[in-house]
Amino acid sequence: NAGVTQTPKFQVLKTGQSMTLQCAQDMNHNSMYWYRQDPGMGLRLIYYSASEGTTDKGEVPNGYNVSRLNKREFSLRLESAAPSQTSVYFCASSDFRLNTEAFFGQGTRLTVV
Amino acid sequence: AQTVTQSQPEMSVQEAETVTLSCTYDTSESDYYLFWYKQPPSRQMILVIRQEAYKQQNATENRFSVNFQKAAKSFSLKISDSQLGDAAMYFCAYLSNSNSGYALNFGKGTSLLVTP
Repeated sequence: NAGVTQTPKFQVLKTGQSMTLQCAQDMNHNSMYWYRQDPGMGLRLIYYSASEGTTDKGEVPNGYNVSRLNKREFSLRLESAAPSQTSVYFCASSDFRLNTEAFFGQGTRLTVV
Repeated sequence: AQTVTQSQPEMSVQEAETVTLSCTYDTSESDYYLFWYKQPPSRQMILVIRQEAYKQQNATENRFSVNFQKAAKSFSLKISDSQLGDAAMYFCAYLSNSNSGYALNFGKGTSLLVTP
């Protein structure tokens, strides 16, 4: 049971570099999400995708782009990384119409220096 | 977005005792879901308990129960017979449903320390 798989688990970037965080789920869920977690701030929603082909902004979308490549995959891209984007990033998936539970990946710890 | 407030950044409880974590939320919806998630040091997000707003009965899962007060928009988590393994961050979350789909909104979390 793979569930939600995020890659990479750790990453260090220099300011201005770009990178893409990958997320894949094998539960046939319609909805996928990207969150960032900072100390004392809880999990804040960056972007989400209610279904294949759709994406919407969450609470903190600035500096990020997303792609819902297909039903399984939802990637998060940082075009020009900034130190303020140092955080732990979580991907999640769900199908709340069928089961009121979101499943989370293990997280990616990103440091921008 | 709906606001979820956890007013206790840290709580401490002795093993075998009971502790209550507070959560309030702001919404204009009448039907919604509320959740408590646990995050141990491993960073894994684990669902503890969920509550449907249309159900008056408080949800219970073994040692975990909630006190859901819909009119007061309050959703507290009670942990009975606390165990060392309960030490973790606890997040309250609200499930919103808009034209864009479902989204889970989290509070800032409460760090629970369990002492022997």
